[in-house]
Amino acid sequence: EDKVVQSPLSLVVHEGDTVTLNCSYEVTNFRSLLWYKQEKKAPTFLFMLTSSGIEKKSGRLSSILDKKELFSILNITATQTGDSAVYLCAVEIGTASKLTFGTGTRLQVTL
Amino acid sequence: GAVVSQHPSWVICKSGTSVKIECRSLDFQATTMFWYRQFPKQSLMLMATSNEGSKATYEQGVEKDKFLINHASLTLSTLTVTSAHPEDSSFYICSAREWGTENIQYFGAGTRLSVL
Repeated sequence: EDKVVQSPLSLVVHEGDTVTLNCSYEVTNFRSLLWYKQEKKAPTFLFMLTSSGIEKKSGRLSSILDKKELFSILNITATQTGDSAVYLCAVEIGTASKLTFGTGTRLQVTL
Repeated sequence: GAVVSQHPSWVICKSGTSVKIECRSLDFQATTMFWYRQFPKQSLMLMATSNEGSKATYEQGVEKDKFLINHASLTLSTLTVTSAHPEDSSFYICSAREWGTENIQYFGAGTRLSVL
C-alpha cells in the first residue's frame, strides 16, 4: 500500500524562526513529489520535485528531494504569521497522475 | 493563471436529497480533474479521477452510484452526491490538471456539505 508520512504533525514556532518539515514515502511507481500549503480551504501549490538533490526555492521557502532515502524536506526561513497553515506533501504515482497525500503538518507561527 | 473555481462553497441539505458540486478550470483546459474528500484534521482522500468525455475512475471503497461524476467539457466536472445522508457530510475538494504541462494539480476552494 502506498504511504506518505509527514512529521511533525504540528509545530508552534515564534516569528523569525526557521522550520523544517519532513515527508517520507513508500510508493510504487513514483513520479514526483509535491508540496502544498492549505490555509483555510484550497491547497495552494508550492513545489514539484522530480529529481534528487536539486533544491527548489521560492522566497523564504525551499525544498529538496532524496529519492534514495525516499524523503523530502520543506524549509521555511524567517517565518511570519502568514506562514501559519497546514503543509501537505503529496506523491504522484503512476501514469494516472494520482496524488497520495500525507496527513499534513500544522504550522502555527506566533508573535 | 491556473485558477480552479468550485461551487457552491457551502451547502446544507436534507437527508435523502441530492447535491451537485461544480468544478471549473477558469483559465486552462483540464483533461483530467480529481475529486477528494477531507475529514476534519485529516488529509485529502482521492475519491475519483474524472477524464473529459469518458467515465470516471473511482477509488476502492467509493460508491459509484452515490457519487456521480460527469466531465462533459474540458473546463467543467461535476460531482453529484445522490440520496445524501449525514455520514456524507464532509469537505469535498476538486483539482484540475492542465493538459500538456507538468502534472501539477490546482485545487478549488472546496465545498462543505452538511446533511441534516
